[in-house]
Amino acid sequence: DAGVIQSPRHEVTEMGQEVTLRCKPISGHDYLFWYRQTMMRGLELLIYFNNNVPIDDSGMPEDRFSAKMPNASFSTLKIQPSEPRDSAVYFCASSSDRGGNGYTFGSGTRLTVV
Amino acid sequence: DQQVKQNSPSLSVQEGRISILNCDYTNSMFDYFLWYKKYPAEGPTFLISISSIKDKNEDGRFTVFLNKSAKHLSLHIVPSQPGDSAVYFCAASAWGGADGLTFGKGTHLIIQP
Repeated sequence: DAGVIQSPRHEVTEMGQEVTLRCKPISGHDYLFWYRQTMMRGLELLIYFNNNVPIDDSGMPEDRFSAKMPNASFSTLKIQPSEPRDSAVYFCASSSDRGGNGYTFGSGTRLTVV
Repeated sequence: DQQVKQNSPSLSVQEGRISILNCDYTNSMFDYFLWYKKYPAEGPTFLISISSIKDKNEDGRFTVFLNKSAKHLSLHIVPSQPGDSAVYFCAASAWGGADGLTFGKGTHLIIQP
């Protein structure tokens, strides 16, 4: 398996633009997580899915953020409109367990909003 | 409020010596603890874990110790090697991971030759 695949690796966009981050989880993993890493707050859980259904989105900072998982092999995190404070590294992770066995992370998308 | 705290942003250790990374937590419901290792431009990778029913777990050069009464865990790396230079994240879960993993901010370990 190629692991968790995220695209793009880097994204630079202007304030106010829509940004879409993509994730392909490991086949057979029932859980998918979106995390955001910043210097100030470390790794924060934004939202997670189980069997394509959003379970907990309490970490999503604002209504500008939305996430979907239309099928077991694809998820998106969208920011509309983007703001400079959204600049961070966004990680997607998948797991066959909610937390007991650990997650497999993708390489992340570094987002810069100017 | 940070439920998982890594109070040392960085740690420098000489090659061959022991590296000790510390982590404190505040949520009494956490019952599973993990350490992740992260290299630049890569995602975190799972390193070692420990259940709250144990106080020690060992895997090769890596040992995690859990002190539940103090709500403290530590990762020991012996001996430290240059490839161990990375950012180490402490993580915890509760209720079988019902809320996902809660991570600390990480400690940047630098192994000096």
